[in-house]
Amino acid sequence: GDSVTQMEGPVTLSEEAFLTINCTYTATGYPSLFWYVQYPGEGLQLLLKATKADDKGSNKGFEATYRKETTSFHLEKGSVQVSDSAVYFCALSDRGNRDDKIIFGKGTRLHILP
Amino acid sequence: DTEVTQTPKHLVMGMTNKKSLKCEQHMGHRAMYWYKQKAKKPPELMFVYSYEKLSINESVPSRFSPECPNSSLLNLHLHALQPEDSALYLCASSQVLSSGNTIYFGEGSWLTVV
Repeated sequence: GDSVTQMEGPVTLSEEAFLTINCTYTATGYPSLFWYVQYPGEGLQLLLKATKADDKGSNKGFEATYRKETTSFHLEKGSVQVSDSAVYFCALSDRGNRDDKIIFGKGTRLHILP
Repeated sequence: DTEVTQTPKHLVMGMTNKKSLKCEQHMGHRAMYWYKQKAKKPPELMFVYSYEKLSINESVPSRFSPECPNSSLLNLHLHALQPEDSALYLCASSQVLSSGNTIYFGEGSWLTVV
């Protein structure tokens, strides 16, 4: 079945450091890929998405490129801020499946130190 | 505007109480979802409604009873809950129930069962 694997963390970085959170997936059909962010005490917010191979999603300085050849959707940011501290979930929704279940990775907790 | 509104934000209830969680969206979405999220875990799907009809029930205990009064509203009725049901309950919506669609989440309702 479909699955998402992401580095579990926690990841601790200093402010202005470069961030990469790895995400790889397996899917039987044609997935759309997503990154969601959950700030402390809040719900999930859609951070960015990509719907087909080679698409790049971007938002708030974060980027991720849909790489079909490596089945990856790694999240990157060039210079992180303390306010980026949160849990990040990689997710997929597979157009090849009959049901509309979004599959989440386990989440990566990110701590940014001032 | 991608907004899903949930009330109440916090709820404390006894094991013999009856309470309800409410969710509203005005994006014209025709698929609505309930998720349950425990600490440090990804959200788990509970129910999916498509065009106001229950489409998916992930074998959720009957003490949780969903209701979709119209295309904008989704309720979750709670009765005789157990302390282990304490969690963050997330409502979400998407345009239609078809794989690949983007799912938008609310801020969640924090439920504590005492």
